[in-house]
Amino acid sequence: QLVVTQSPSASASLGASVKLTCTLSSGHSTYAIAWHQQQPEKGPRYLMKLNSDGSHIKGDGIPDRFSGSSSGAERYLTISSLQSEDEADYYCQTWGTGIQVFGAGTKVTVL
Amino acid sequence: QLQVQEAGPGLVKPSETLSLTCTVSGDSISNTLYFWGWIRQPPGKGLEWIASIFYSGRTYYNPSLRSRLTMSVDTSRNQFSLKLSSVTAADTAAYYCARHSSNWTQGYFDYWGQGTLVTVSS
Repeated sequence: QLVVTQSPSASASLGASVKLTCTLSSGHSTYAIAWHQQQPEKGPRYLMKLNSDGSHIKGDGIPDRFSGSSSGAERYLTISSLQSEDEADYYCQTWGTGIQVFGAGTKVTVL
Repeated sequence: QLQVQEAGPGLVKPSETLSLTCTVSGDSISNTLYFWGWIRQPPGKGLEWIASIFYSGRTYYNPSLRSRLTMSVDTSRNQFSLKLSSVTAADTAAYYCARHSSNWTQGYFDYWGQGTLVTVSS
């Protein structure tokens, strides 16, 4: 079964970096994922598509502070130079033909 | 710039049918490159994919909701719609429409609407 798993929370200080992890289920380690940001009281916003080789395609206007990387079944989102507006929920998404799957989300707190 | 905008009733009674519409602007819903989807989010919880539709009417449904779902597309109005029958309080959620590629190797949602909150209550 295609599943993606995320840690529920992460935090870092203003100006620091934070690295979020999305783990693909067994047998699906080569799948691509997408990262989405959801700020409080807003709809989700596409950040990037991230392939198993670490290559990624960012959405329109996404700052360079957001970067992605991969290792095995894990897909990472790193936010550098954290700003207050980065305090949000971050969801990973994966897919197969005819199915879409979301992780439970990671809440990022900027200290 | 693509925009998608949801419209819904706000309040639906238990056991009734929830109807939602998404209006697409900035692109044609008949664009063969894309599917159009619905995702929902119960208050304080995560995202759940509901269904996706191609302009031809080809649909994919979340198996857990399939028996209660109907999706349709109106190319003349550049809209697509969702009907969810026999609703309960568990269907209370913000409902989002979004776009993803028709190439399932690139199936990520790249444009999202702002969402519409639907409450199921008598």
